[in-house]
Amino acid sequence: ETGVTQTPRHLVMGMTNKKSLKCEQHLGHNAMYWYKQSAKKPLELMFVYNFKEQTENNSVPSRFSPECPNSSHLFLHLHTLQPEDSALYLCASSHGVELFFGSGTQLSVL
Amino acid sequence: GIQVEQSPPDLILQEGANSTLRCNFSDSVNNLQWFHQNPWGQLINLFYIPSGTKQNGRLSATTVATERYSLLYISSSQTTDSGVYFCAVERGNDMRFGAGTRLTVKP
Repeated sequence: ETGVTQTPRHLVMGMTNKKSLKCEQHLGHNAMYWYKQSAKKPLELMFVYNFKEQTENNSVPSRFSPECPNSSHLFLHLHTLQPEDSALYLCASSHGVELFFGSGTQLSVL
Repeated sequence: GIQVEQSPPDLILQEGANSTLRCNFSDSVNNLQWFHQNPWGQLINLFYIPSGTKQNGRLSATTVATERYSLLYISSSQTTDSGVYFCAVERGNDMRFGAGTRLTVKP
C-alpha cells in the first residue's frame, strides 16, 4: 500500500462515452501527477499539479481533462477517446523528490 | 530532453541468482529513482539515489553521477522479484523514465 488510491482498477469504454478516473492520496503531499503507460513505451508524464495549480500539461490532447479540487484528490475526465488511448493510467504524488504511485487504471477503448 | 537507457531489456534468472541492472543517462541529473512494477501494475519506489550507494535488504543501488549511470543489484533473487524495473531521472523539472528491464525469476 503506497498511500495513493486509484479507482476504478479497470475500465472499458466506447469512443463516445464520458468517464472519469479518480486518484486520492493520504500522504499529505503537495504535488500530484497523471502518467500514461502504453505497451513497450516508457511512462509518459501527462499532467502535474502543485498545490492544486496545474504546472505542466505535456501536450496532451483535449479529450483528456484533469481536475484537482484539492491537494488530496485528482481526476482525469475522459471523452471521445480513441482506441490508441488504451493504456495503464497511473496517478502519483510527491512532497519533494520521491514519487509514490497508485495501482493504476487499465483503460480499454473499444 | 534527457535520454535514459536501461539494460538489459529482458532478464531471466533462476531463483537464488544475483543480477545487476543498469541505467545510463545523457546529462547531469538532480534526482534519480529506481522503481519496481509488479505483474499487477503497481509501481513501488525502491530507492531515491542521485549519488552514492544505498542498501535495503537484498537490494542495493549505486549511482555514479559523474559518469552518468546507476546500477541496481538484486541478490538471492526470489520469484516475487519478477516484474519491470524502471529508472527515472530528473533534470530541473523534467523527469524521464527509462523503458525498463523486465525481470523473470523462475522457481
